[in-house]
Amino acid sequence: DAGITQSPRHKVTETGTPVTLRCHQTENHRYMYWYRQDPGHGLRLIHYSYGVKDTDKGEVSDGYSVSRSKTEDFLLTLESATSSQTSVYFCAISAQGGHSNQPQHFGDGTRLSIL
Amino acid sequence: EDQVTQSPEALRLQEGESSSLNCSYTVSGLRGLFWYRQDPGKGPEFLFTLYSAGEEKEKERLKATLTKKESFLHITAPKPEDSATYLCAAQIRGSQGNLIFGKGTKLSVKP
Repeated sequence: DAGITQSPRHKVTETGTPVTLRCHQTENHRYMYWYRQDPGHGLRLIHYSYGVKDTDKGEVSDGYSVSRSKTEDFLLTLESATSSQTSVYFCAISAQGGHSNQPQHFGDGTRLSIL
Repeated sequence: EDQVTQSPEALRLQEGESSSLNCSYTVSGLRGLFWYRQDPGKGPEFLFTLYSAGEEKEKERLKATLTKKESFLHITAPKPEDSATYLCAAQIRGSQGNLIFGKGTKLSVKP
């Protein structure tokens, strides 16, 4: 299994509070991704990173920010959580992004509930 | 708009009853078509990548095929342990590896 650890695995918080999710990898992969998964939707890309301090927006980036200060860690922050951000969040890693046949490998997710 | 559609949404099979899952895609330029398996409470697990029309990949009871408009995941003589949600995703040419996912097919195999 790819060495991907997401923390916390479960979190319940209140509307308006800041929340930070962490993705830690031990594979030294360059590319890291954050997705959310909701009933009735496929996995949707929030933000991704193609190197330390290099990030870009995905399909559903509003209300989220990210940071990557080390190769192994990619943080997803909800500055002021809203109920619409209740979801399961997945981190994925890839060795070479879209420039090779390397697939993305996923962590086991963080289930976030915002009351 | 780039789009990936999977059908059926759910499929119930008896053990040993072979069938196929469909993934149709409309994208600006396909770099690769990926199949994943997802068990409840887990992240997607990589199964196959297909790159060109006519390509086929096999793994145990699963075989994935690709045409210019769709991909099929054929399941031969399934077992209960094949029960899971199967996801397909398109990687767009020129992107940073970003994947566009379908909503998945939930497969249940009864003994």
